[in-house]
Amino acid sequence: DTEVTQTPKHLVMGMTNKKSLKCEQHMGHRAMYWYKQKAKKPPELMFVYSYEKLSINESVPSRFSPECPNSSLLNLHLHALQPEDSALYLCASSQGQSETQYFGPGTRLLVL
Amino acid sequence: QQQVKQSPQSLIVQKGGIPIINCAYENTAFDYFPWYQQFPGKGPALLIAIRPDVSEKKEGRFTISFNKSAKQFSLHIMDSQPGDSATYFCAASSHGGFKTIFGAGTRLFVKA
Repeated sequence: DTEVTQTPKHLVMGMTNKKSLKCEQHMGHRAMYWYKQKAKKPPELMFVYSYEKLSINESVPSRFSPECPNSSLLNLHLHALQPEDSALYLCASSQGQSETQYFGPGTRLLVL
Repeated sequence: QQQVKQSPQSLIVQKGGIPIINCAYENTAFDYFPWYQQFPGKGPALLIAIRPDVSEKKEGRFTISFNKSAKQFSLHIMDSQPGDSATYFCAASSHGGFKTIFGAGTRLFVKA
């Protein structure tokens, strides 16, 4: 099973809302990632968790808050977002460093 | 030095043609070079990947050619089909790192 699942598929939120994106994998991968992708652009790395510890934070604004409750789950908590944060948010996982990353289908986020 | 330069930006071929997408890098520490295929509204999916100890890898209709001395690699799609119409991203990562550097992407359209 090489599946990464993400919920919800679509999300519309106002700038004062608080919401969370969820990601799950059951491949036993020890690294999990959050990416942001704008239209016609490549994915941009936001965060990396390795063995449930935050390994990389690419200077992401604090209105995005990641959480890794266990080795299979990854959350992204959203608060006070801006319209320019509207994008496709992708979760990925890999066995380790410099290994294939498996992407989920993404959550399409619209901030009004 | 962390960039991966991808060309062309877009490509239109007839069914049965052989589209070629090229990528170049500077960082000699890169040791893993995956290609991802992405359909609209979906997450990227691994297509094929290569490490620098081989010069060519073939999987089905997809072939990666790798030129270590020139620091270039390319994707060839044999007997292209309309279902291959998608955006293709080359990428690179280095040993001991979680960060994958993506090329800008190539939008391929295969005409029936």
